[in-house]
Amino acid sequence: GAVVSQHPSWVICKSGTSVKIECRSLDFQATTMFWYRQFPKQSLMLMATSNEGSKATYEQGVEKDKFLINHASLTLSTLTVTSAHPEDSSFYICSATTTSGGSVDTQYFGPGTRLTVL
Amino acid sequence: GENVEQHPSTLSVQEGDSAVIKCTYSDSASNYFPWYKQELGKGPQLIIDIRSNVGEKKDQRIAVTLNKTAKHFSLHITETQPEDSAVYFCAATPDYKLSFGAGTTVTVRA
Repeated sequence: GAVVSQHPSWVICKSGTSVKIECRSLDFQATTMFWYRQFPKQSLMLMATSNEGSKATYEQGVEKDKFLINHASLTLSTLTVTSAHPEDSSFYICSATTTSGGSVDTQYFGPGTRLTVL
Repeated sequence: GENVEQHPSTLSVQEGDSAVIKCTYSDSASNYFPWYKQELGKGPQLIIDIRSNVGEKKDQRIAVTLNKTAKHFSLHITETQPEDSAVYFCAATPDYKLSFGAGTTVTVRA
């Protein structure tokens, strides 16, 4: 149980274009989903937290107009990288949890999406 | 916010030996401590977690210990196997946002 999928697993795009990444919880309802980015040989850096039906909360330094997050249902969250540039190239990973309102629950991670911007 | 330090950054062990990774955290309110294993090109996989109301938890060859007074927790892998080779991350949180350590690259030599 507790499977999280991401699509696509990798994507290559031209500079200036937008890319959408999907994150789905396959066998549970995710009240909260998280988006991370990870540069090579580094740890995971939280970008934003999204709760179903409400606006995402972005971490300091993350541009909300550049990284659009939508959590339209209890099983789907999307991250859109708008006007992508080479510096946005990274490994984007989502996680999902049943946590709601501050109590701690296990986060299950997706397999990640490798974004390369040319 | 929470700050998690993880040591060592790299660890090489002989197959069959034990591996120990240590983490310290700064926020005394942290109450949940998961450990994740990440293989190259993949997402992190939860391998074990512990909450602040217990001091030790074991799952087959993997164990985690927690010392709340000293604010540190450790991952112990016994009888290591080549498939244990990966990057391991510790994390801590007082609420729902995880703060991760920098990671430990574990290499198990056959």
